[in-house]
Formats: sequence, C-alpha cells, structure tokens
Amino acid sequence: GAVVSQHPSWVICKSGTSVKIECRSLDFQATTMFWYRQFPKQSLMLMATSNEGSKATYEQGVEKDKFLINHASLTLSTLTVTSAHPEDSSFYICSSEGPYNEQFFGPGTRLTVL
Amino acid sequence: GESVGLHLPTLSVQEGDNSIINCAYSNSASDYFIWYKQESGKGPQFIIDIRSNMDKRQGQRVTVLLNKTVKHLSLQIAATQPGDSAVYFCAEMVTSGTYKYIFGTGTRLKVLA
Repeated sequence: GAVVSQHPSWVICKSGTSVKIECRSLDFQATTMFWYRQFPKQSLMLMATSNEGSKATYEQGVEKDKFLINHASLTLSTLTVTSAHPEDSSFYICSSEGPYNEQFFGPGTRLTVL
Repeated sequence: GESVGLHLPTLSVQEGDNSIINCAYSNSASDYFIWYKQESGKGPQFIIDIRSNMDKRQGQRVTVLLNKTVKHLSLQIAATQPGDSAVYFCAEMVTSGTYKYIFGTGTRLKVLA
C-alpha cells in the first residue's frame, strides 16, 4: 500500500503552546487527506477532511480555530493544535485518500500536553 | 445517526484456533466496508475490504462476511497466531457530499499461547 508519514511521532509540550503535526503522502499525490484523533482504548474519531487548495471540512464538535489544518500541497497536510491543553493529549492519525476512496494511514503522533 | 459498533470488546483465543470478530453498522446506504488492525502505538493497518455487492471476500488467512439484511460484518482469522494480537476495527464508508470513514469501537484480540 501507499506510504504515509507523520512528523513528529511524539511530542510533549506545555499547556498554552501550539503544536504542528505534519502528514506526508510519500508515493502518491493526495487531493484529500483526513485527520483523526484517538484517545486511549477508544476508536478513531474523524476530526476533519483536508482538501488541497481549499478549506478543511470539520466534523461536528471540532473547533476549527483550535485545530488549524493546512493542505498546501498534494503531498503535505498539517494539523496545528493551538493553545494546547491537557485534554488535547491524544494520538493524532492522518490518512491519505487513494484513487478508489481507500485510505492509507500514517503511523500516528502522540501528543502529551503538560 | 451514523454508527458502527462491535459486539465484543475483547476476544481471547488459543493459538491455532480461528477467530471471529463481529461488527454491526447502522447506515444501510454504506457500500464499502474495511477491516483494520492496529497495534499499540501505531496507525491502522489495512486487512481486507468488501463492497456491498458481495457477501464474502477472502484474503490470506482472513475472510470478511457481509450480511446487509441485518447490517452485520465479520472478520474471520484462520489459525490465529501471536502476531495477530492487536485491536481490530471495522469501518464503513459513508457518503454525504464527500467520502468519509466511520470507525467502530474496536475489539482487542488476545492470542493465548
């Protein structure tokens, strides 16, 4: 399958700071990428759909001003958690959409907010 | 509303036995379903998928069954191995303007030696 990378793989930050997570589609161009959040022992919850060259589509209950998404190229989408707080600590996973609507997932980023 | 749920949160099986993981979905319009395996601290790994025009699909040691009448999906793993220990999620693809996946709650599979 296609290769999707995320950077960093884990990050620890202080409360109130902002953290940027990168998602790269390494071997194909992805017009659409997705961002998920996963709390411990829970399922993946879709946060937003990232569209290259246009605004992201956020799921109900996800604050777009807190979780800034930028999809500036066909191989890179970024998620910035602004003014992070301990309750934002989670596992953030991105995916790239393939030509048949399949999704290729990244390895995830563990965010811990102190 | 949209939801995909699982019957068993934890499943323990003896090595070499077959495993069956179940999933119920609620969106009758969904036409594509996927099973993922997730190991601790990693992203989901594709296992097998099935479209709604099929009721069974087989892969290497895995089989997915789809019963659209009762909106039920199952994953069968033959000759379960220690490396199969992980959390398994089903997902359905829903279309509401754009495509997106809705994930089930997950089942943890523990393989006993």
